[in-house]
Amino acid sequence: AQTVTQSQPEMSVQEAETVTLSCTYDTSESNYYLFWYKQPPSRQMILVIRQEAYKQQNATENRFSVNFQKAAKSFSLKISDSQLGDTAMYFCAFMGTNAGKSTFGDGTTLTVKP
Amino acid sequence: NAGVTQTPKFQVLKTGQSMTLQCAQDMNHEYMSWYRQDPGMGLRLIHYSVGAGITDQGEVPNGYNVSRSTTEDFPLRLLSAAPSQTSVYFCASSYRPGGPGNTIYFGEGSWLTVV
Repeated sequence: AQTVTQSQPEMSVQEAETVTLSCTYDTSESNYYLFWYKQPPSRQMILVIRQEAYKQQNATENRFSVNFQKAAKSFSLKISDSQLGDTAMYFCAFMGTNAGKSTFGDGTTLTVKP
Repeated sequence: NAGVTQTPKFQVLKTGQSMTLQCAQDMNHEYMSWYRQDPGMGLRLIHYSVGAGITDQGEVPNGYNVSRSTTEDFPLRLLSAAPSQTSVYFCASSYRPGGPGNTIYFGEGSWLTVV
């Protein structure tokens, strides 16, 4: 079974600064997807960024980028130029060959301070 | 394109009552899942389906039943509600893995309180 670990329950960052959220995972599969989802207080799950394991290039989406280290099974999220609207809980997620059994970390609550 | 639709959004149940959370997706996804999220925690898998007529248990299946008679619908039934089932429930769906751009699509969540 896959596991996903987010070791930082809470983090804070000043507006306009950069913050990195950590995620490690464990799997025996070679082909999989990794995701970061944002969950604001409304509890809506919003896709932030996606990484296919077969791609060596790190994914980027505007101010969001990842550092994907496949050998180390690490998948960190970097948020640049943090904005107040980035305040939310962030979940790291793993999807393997059985997409119905995706696994989520326990989340990191990020607070962006003005 | 509606995506993943869950109903109801809010529900209060008395202990012992039964109810069904509805989930429908219009993207022809093979995979569908139900998760629960307790306060301050991540998502835990209740049941999932890999296609019409095929379901299996997840991490926390006790007290819940599912069925998948069509590709579009995946209802979750609470058999006899207990206070421990107070949670936010998410339905999710996705394509078969293997292609680029695969994503977990979520419904908006169903907030259930059992008193």
